[in-house]
Amino acid sequence: GQNIDQPTEMTATEGAIVQINCTYQTSGFNGLFWYQQHAGEAPTFLSYNVLDGLEEKGRFSSFLSRSKGYSYLLLKELQMKDSASYLCAVLYNFNKFYFGSGTKLNVKP
Amino acid sequence: NAGVMQNPRHLVRRRGQEARLRCSPMKGHSHVYWYRQLPEEGLKFMVYLQKENIIDESGMPKERFSAEFPKEGPSILRIQQVVRGDSAAYFCASSQAGTVGYGYTFGSGTRLTVV
Repeated sequence: GQNIDQPTEMTATEGAIVQINCTYQTSGFNGLFWYQQHAGEAPTFLSYNVLDGLEEKGRFSSFLSRSKGYSYLLLKELQMKDSASYLCAVLYNFNKFYFGSGTKLNVKP
Repeated sequence: NAGVMQNPRHLVRRRGQEARLRCSPMKGHSHVYWYRQLPEEGLKFMVYLQKENIIDESGMPKERFSAEFPKEGPSILRIQQVVRGDSAAYFCASSQAGTVGYGYTFGSGTRLTVV
């Protein structure tokens, strides 16, 4: 629902920087969230953007452009443990999240 | 200080049987959401409940699936006459009074396998 699109899979090298993009429909938008999900585990909250701009939290940053319906998650100084799926989720009309299909990130030594 | 508790963690059912998945929200949370995740896919919204009320069930299949959140006890997602296509991970999340400013808190999920 709501055409939340993100790449299916990405590969990056340990120590590098990777950017995971997400686009979404803007009508009814109330906030954008990024979650990390390791295989077989529950999603865990990473970041939240409701206003335009960059939110930084340690090695992870998330950017939002509401007019463009676009966000990205930036991961710096990649570590092997960052290998996981990253889910973009958008809150619509204050009561329901729609999730993208997730981007599987493979970090190689 | 338990988080969102789901049980069982793994559930195996034969085709045609019933599956009951339980979710106890975090203490103080009165809103529960159920999501389904097929292998290699994202989470798909199923249903949003408050105590004794279904708020939004737009993601629920029309047949065989039902959900409740009684005044006392956990929320239950019930799947009747399961088929192989029901095999998936089912995640429950909870929030406080409908506020989602910091996202949901998810349970660890129930992995349903239909054989």
